[in-house]
Amino acid sequence: DAGVTQSPTHLIKTRGQHVTLRCSPISGHKSVSWYQQVLGQGPQFIFQYYEKEERGRGNFPDRFSARQFPNYSSELNVNALLLGDSALYLCASSSWGETQYFGPGTRLLVL
Amino acid sequence: EDQVTQSPEALRLQEGESSSLNCSYTVSGLRGLFWYRQDPGKGPEFLFTLYSAGEEKEKERLKATLTKKESFLHITAPKPEDSATYLCAVRPIIQGAQKLVFGQGTRLTINP
Repeated sequence: DAGVTQSPTHLIKTRGQHVTLRCSPISGHKSVSWYQQVLGQGPQFIFQYYEKEERGRGNFPDRFSARQFPNYSSELNVNALLLGDSALYLCASSSWGETQYFGPGTRLLVL
Repeated sequence: EDQVTQSPEALRLQEGESSSLNCSYTVSGLRGLFWYRQDPGKGPEFLFTLYSAGEEKEKERLKATLTKKESFLHITAPKPEDSATYLCAVRPIIQGAQKLVFGQGTRLTINP
């Protein structure tokens, strides 16, 4: 079975630009969560979506937004990029209340 | 505030030298404690879930244990392929959400 997939794998943007990251969950999983991992630190929770509704939001500015589609895939959008947004962005999928399984991540570099 | 602290930050062992990694946590209510392994540049790989104090889980050379305030990941006779960053995370009891709160990880290096 395919695991969680994310695209693109790497991305380079400049300050002020906008970026869209994509995630496809494991088949049968209806919950998608997004995390940001800065080098040398543990992942930090950004959003959780379940059945296309936002169920949780971490301590991130309004420049970060997300949505989930009818097929349970998800997009994370970040506007007005800052240098500090450079990180590995991780998507995790799960059934409700169960273990979260992570994708390979998207490495974002903001110059 | 929910918080997870892992120690040590980095650990270097010789092949076959057993040791333990620590995860201390403060959480208003614990839904579960998770251990993940992360290789450089990759996403975390799930290892164990523990739900209540006294619970233990084992997989190959790894064994995870849980008390009311901390968890240990014991590694027995490690091999170089066990080199990775090990992440501990807690899932607090939050109405309507399932967020994980991670520690900063322990970077484990096993020398042949």
